[in-house]
Amino acid sequence: DVKVTQSSRYLVKRTGEKVFLECVQDMDHENMFWYRQDPGLGLRLIYFSYDVKMKEKGDIPEGYSVSREKKERFSLILESASTNQTSMYLCASQELASTDTQYFGPGTRLTVL
Amino acid sequence: AQSVTQPDIHITVSEGASLELRCNYSYGATPYLFWYVQSPGQGLQLLLKYFSGDTLVQGIKGFEAEFKRSQSSFNLRKPSVHWSDAAEYFCAVVPMDTGRRALTFGSGTRLQVQP
Repeated sequence: DVKVTQSSRYLVKRTGEKVFLECVQDMDHENMFWYRQDPGLGLRLIYFSYDVKMKEKGDIPEGYSVSREKKERFSLILESASTNQTSMYLCASQELASTDTQYFGPGTRLTVL
Repeated sequence: AQSVTQPDIHITVSEGASLELRCNYSYGATPYLFWYVQSPGQGLQLLLKYFSGDTLVQGIKGFEAEFKRSQSSFNLRKPSVHWSDAAEYFCAVVPMDTGRRALTFGSGTRLQVQP
């Protein structure tokens, strides 16, 4: 079974703090994604990566950056957290093709005070 | 604009009753189509997907979905709902002609099951 793990289930940070959300997958997948989930909006793509050291902006990248130094790990960084970044963050991995299933982690619920 | 629409925010059904969750998409070419379920406190799990071929797709947990090109729809169905089906359901697409591999999600439908 594919396993996607996220470093924290719940996180509380203060405005202006630098926040790291970590995601690790154990299936040697090429593609990894970060989404945020908000009520009434579904999931929206923040950033994605198709390979190590490769990253592409998604639909809502403002205020975020990412890092993929190793194939199995994809980190989401909030350089200076703001209250409007309070949300559920979901990481996903996918083998290669757009038709391959995306496997999701359990999510990190981030609250920025 | 390209979009995925789930018109029902919240649906309540009785246990044992049939279920249909609606999904419509607006894309130039038929995208790849997916249904995911998110149980409380859980990550998303793929129920089924459609790329081509038979327009009635069978998934896990007794779910099926029917692709209707003329209506740009991909509705999810289950003949008899169980209490454990209470969850949030997301329709999602991947456009076929853009090279994009990320999913675009609808806003979700929350299903409540009454005993």
